[in-house]
Amino acid sequence: AQSVTQLDSQVPVFEEAPVELRCNYSSSVSVYLFWYVQYPNQGLQLLLKYLSGSTLVKGINGFEAEFNKSQTSFHLRKPSVHISDTAEYFCAVSEPGGSYIPTFGRGTSLIVHP
Amino acid sequence: GAVVSQHPSRVICKSGTSVKIECRSLDFQATTMFWYRQFPKQSLMLMATSNEGSKATYEQGVEKDKFLINHASLTLSTLTVTSAHPEDSSFYICSALDRGTHEQYFGPGTRLTVT
Repeated sequence: AQSVTQLDSQVPVFEEAPVELRCNYSSSVSVYLFWYVQYPNQGLQLLLKYLSGSTLVKGINGFEAEFNKSQTSFHLRKPSVHISDTAEYFCAVSEPGGSYIPTFGRGTSLIVHP
Repeated sequence: GAVVSQHPSRVICKSGTSVKIECRSLDFQATTMFWYRQFPKQSLMLMATSNEGSKATYEQGVEKDKFLINHASLTLSTLTVTSAHPEDSSFYICSALDRGTHEQYFGPGTRLTVT
């Protein structure tokens, strides 16, 4: 069985500062990894995904994430955040060749202060 | 990316009535769709997997007779909350799976309030 841990429930940061949102997973097989963003009262939007290949994945809105197999991590980073990045961020993992059903982390609320 | 729509976006109903929520994939055919429920400040809870042309697969603890799912076509899945109660009030989100890209495309969600 797979699981996802997002250690930080809330991350406050000032505008234009860098940010890292942490995600660790556990799985007995190889994985697909995803980061989603959710703005208030909206569905989820895919930021980026790792399926295979380069461990550094670049996504939309200036976000990137690095897959670290040895540390079973997939942390999300952005070098300079904007007020508009304030949202809920979810990390998810699924297993290739499986049911495609991802397991979601509990989410991290990113709060960008002016 | 692909677009998934949900209708209605918000619905208020009285206790004891039934509510239908539609989920449509607008630009690709989705053999598999998922229905999630999200409580405030919490993650998504998978309720069921909807497969076109067959019965939905429900997660443990989800009442299939209360949450009726129909996936009658490759672009439409519906969730009907039957005999709704205030505790069914929640944010319901659907997603459609693109097996080619291994990506789920999420709908904008439906806010259900049962009074």
